[in-house]
Amino acid sequence: ETGVTQTPRHLVMGMTNKKSLKCEQHLGHNAMYWYKQSAKKPLELMFVYNFKEQTENNSVPSRFSPECPNSSHLFLHLHTLQPEDSALYLCASSQDWAGSWEQYFGPGTRLTVT
Amino acid sequence: AQSVTQLDSHVSVSEGTPVLLRCNYSSSYSPSLFWYVQHPNKGLQLLLKYTSAATLVKGINGFEAEFKKSETSFHLTKPSAHMSDAAEYFCVVTNNNAGNMLTFGGGTRLMVKP
Repeated sequence: ETGVTQTPRHLVMGMTNKKSLKCEQHLGHNAMYWYKQSAKKPLELMFVYNFKEQTENNSVPSRFSPECPNSSHLFLHLHTLQPEDSALYLCASSQDWAGSWEQYFGPGTRLTVT
Repeated sequence: AQSVTQLDSHVSVSEGTPVLLRCNYSSSYSPSLFWYVQHPNKGLQLLLKYTSAATLVKGINGFEAEFKKSETSFHLTKPSAHMSDAAEYFCVVTNNNAGNMLTFGGGTRLMVKP
């Protein structure tokens, strides 16, 4: 499989549930990103990892917890979410964090919080 | 600081007619600029990028964009629209002097009429 994959593609969870989103990149990249895409709002960067180390946390609430065990895998652990967290969560990767490398995006996980 | 403004939230064209999607940017440093396309329920796909080389950039699917520093613009064009071009398009800027922090425009939804 090539590119950036994300699982699950759709997720419905209650506010008291705990779930995880998974992202895997098959491009040999060193940097990985989580974005949130809500209706009528620009894409929001949430987290950045470069060589497995977190380099950016864009003031994201603690109910979102990222994990990057290696350069190919990125997780987003979710707990006690709010309805306003319902959105499309996109994962991306790039060759490196520095400079102007283009980012490659996965298909996203459509999250609905009930 | 950097920002992107996509001047039209919706653009409607007839199949076979030219496409123009407008983008203005601001950046404190030498920018890199990208256009991404997002089809319904899909992730973002890179169309083209500008990184301080040729000011006229050719991308996939017949799209191109011209970097105009004096006008701080990076408009996306295509000579003849296809039905398959109907999607949302994002203009994106990043700062060449810092990490790979992409700033997204609000998006332009392109509709193509038969």
